[in-house]
Amino acid sequence: EAGVAQSPRYKIIEKRQSVAFWCNPISGHATLYWYQQILGQGPKLLIQFQNNGVVDDSQLPKDRFSAERLKGVDSTLKIQPAKLEDSAVYLCASRRPAGTGYTGANEKLFFGSGTQLSVL
Amino acid sequence: RKEVEQDPGPFNVPEGATVAFNCTYSNSASQSFFWYRQDCRKEPKLLMSVYSSGNEDGRFTAQLNRASQYISLLIRDSKLSDSATYLCVVNLYTDKLIFGTGTRLQVFP
Repeated sequence: EAGVAQSPRYKIIEKRQSVAFWCNPISGHATLYWYQQILGQGPKLLIQFQNNGVVDDSQLPKDRFSAERLKGVDSTLKIQPAKLEDSAVYLCASRRPAGTGYTGANEKLFFGSGTQLSVL
Repeated sequence: RKEVEQDPGPFNVPEGATVAFNCTYSNSASQSFFWYRQDCRKEPKLLMSVYSSGNEDGRFTAQLNRASQYISLLIRDSKLSDSATYLCVVNLYTDKLIFGTGTRLQVFP
């Protein structure tokens, strides 16, 4: 099966500019996650979608970050304006939700290759 | 207190050694648990799920202690190829998947 697609692979911007990342999950995966991974740290959950609805965005800095998944398939994550501390790898992951007839709670995450963002 | 905590290491061990990592979680309602492996500049990949009764996959053994709220990973007969960062992942309610900071393992000849 095709994997999770992300683009761009790399992005370099100056602080206060805006940037957008795109993710296309595995077909049929209802749950989509955006994680931020700063060098030397574990991935931090920014936002979780179930179909086109937001399940959790408690860690999303909403004054500058926004995300959408309008048709319940692909998703975009935007930063506006960017700060130096936003330099990180942005990982998109998808997963089948619990209770779909699979072993829901133990379903694994499928990650894209990530977007490495450098803010100068 | 962080939701998922791990010792960041690094753990430097010789080939053939046995090494163990622990991970603690704060939410007693957590549903399921995993260990992921992340190689340098790569995305995380599932190593194994962690079941209540403990489970083994070749040289890897995972244990869960719900009473004490910790998870462990044991690697026996370490190989050079085991060098990576090991991430503990906890599934909270509503499939909210939280990663620990990761434990870095370096296996040397």
